[in-house]
Amino acid sequence: GAGVSQTPSNKVTEKGKYVELRCDPISGHTALYWYRQSLGQGPEFLIYFQGTGAADDSGLPNDRFFAVRPEGSVSTLKIQRTERGDSAVYLCASSLEGNSPLHFGNGTRLTVT
Amino acid sequence: KQEVTQIPAALSVPEGENLVLNCSFTDSAIYNLQWFRQDPGKGLTSLLLIQSSQREQTSGRLNASLDKSSGRSTLYIAASQPGDSATYLCAVRPSDYGQNFVFGPGTRLSVLP
Repeated sequence: GAGVSQTPSNKVTEKGKYVELRCDPISGHTALYWYRQSLGQGPEFLIYFQGTGAADDSGLPNDRFFAVRPEGSVSTLKIQRTERGDSAVYLCASSLEGNSPLHFGNGTRLTVT
Repeated sequence: KQEVTQIPAALSVPEGENLVLNCSFTDSAIYNLQWFRQDPGKGLTSLLLIQSSQREQTSGRLNASLDKSSGRSTLYIAASQPGDSATYLCAVRPSDYGQNFVFGPGTRLSVLP
């Protein structure tokens, strides 16, 4: 079956603009995660959804970052007033339940100019 | 706060060698530990998941061990091949910090033909 799908694969935006990043998890996976990865580092946790609700959003760096998962499937990560420091690869992962292996998408490479 | 380190940061070996990658974590109270591989420009691929009650997991030429009390895990790769070249990351799910995984920075492995 299909894996985790993330769109777009690349996004270039100007400082101050608004961006939306989309994640389509594996069908039937109730847990969905967003991570951010900078070059040469491991992924950094942002937010975790169990179903439709954000069970843990402690990793969101500030209030410019927001994520939704309205129907418990597709999720959108929204970044307002982008800054150059937001440039990174944004990874989405899903799992069948909270304690199952994570399955990652290929990520969205965000570049803020 | 859980912290994960991986040694070495980079490793280069000739084809056919057996090798060991190391992962250390500061808080032994974990639910599980997962090893991933990441190819350049790609997302993470799950290799092995070890639950906190387990000592090791095996998949093909890969064997991962877990010593929770000492905060260590190793990934053993037998008879390495050039196709094994990638970055290998370990991640732990802390038992008291929600459901997110905490990642190490990875070990970049090069297997030379």
